[in-house]
Amino acid sequence: EAEVAQSPRYKITEKSQAVAFWCDPISGHATLYWYRQILGQGPELLVQFQDESVVDDSQLPKDRFSAERLKGVDSTLKIQPAELGDSAMYLCASSLIDRTGELFFGEGSRLTVL
Amino acid sequence: GENVEQHPSTLSVQEGDSAVIKCTYSDSASNYFPWYKQELGKRPQLIIDIRSNVGEKKDQRIAVTLNKTAKHFSLHITETQPEDSAVYFCAASPMDAGGTSYGKLTFGQGTILTVHP
Repeated sequence: EAEVAQSPRYKITEKSQAVAFWCDPISGHATLYWYRQILGQGPELLVQFQDESVVDDSQLPKDRFSAERLKGVDSTLKIQPAELGDSAMYLCASSLIDRTGELFFGEGSRLTVL
Repeated sequence: GENVEQHPSTLSVQEGDSAVIKCTYSDSASNYFPWYKQELGKRPQLIIDIRSNVGEKKDQRIAVTLNKTAKHFSLHITETQPEDSAVYFCAASPMDAGGTSYGKLTFGQGTILTVHP
């Protein structure tokens, strides 16, 4: 069964350092999402891509976060510089452009900023 | 934007009992309401969803009800089992303007369900 792949699974960094997360969606899924999940809370959408275009990045802290999906397939989320409050699980998800609405999540990248 | 409130934050039941989790939403444009289950250390997975054109949907021991007038929907799990223990998230999203796919999904805060054997 096809799954969304993410790496790294775990990342520990010091504040002010740069970090990057990678996501490979399920083949054929045109829509890709990056969510941030703080411990004890629900996932919060950071950015949504349709193919290579950003559809929604209203909740992305653009002064330090950036995301790209250059060829409309895999995607990278970058944080520079990392802050203590960025410690969270970063979940990538993908979906088809259809009426089913189902999101398929990756296992996430857990970031700890010291 | 959409705001989804979920209650309770924790729920503890005995095996075999029923569990009910409730969510309210704010945006009347929302018309798709999924529920995701996240086991410890694992990815969230869709377990059931409902669209605004129906009031109830059932899948074996799981059911979801929707009251669009009151803007709330609920997850019902009957005959709970220890493997039902997980965090459950409700969510809401509108159909996009083109009517071909769903838009931004807003999640509730989650409910930690513990089923005691």
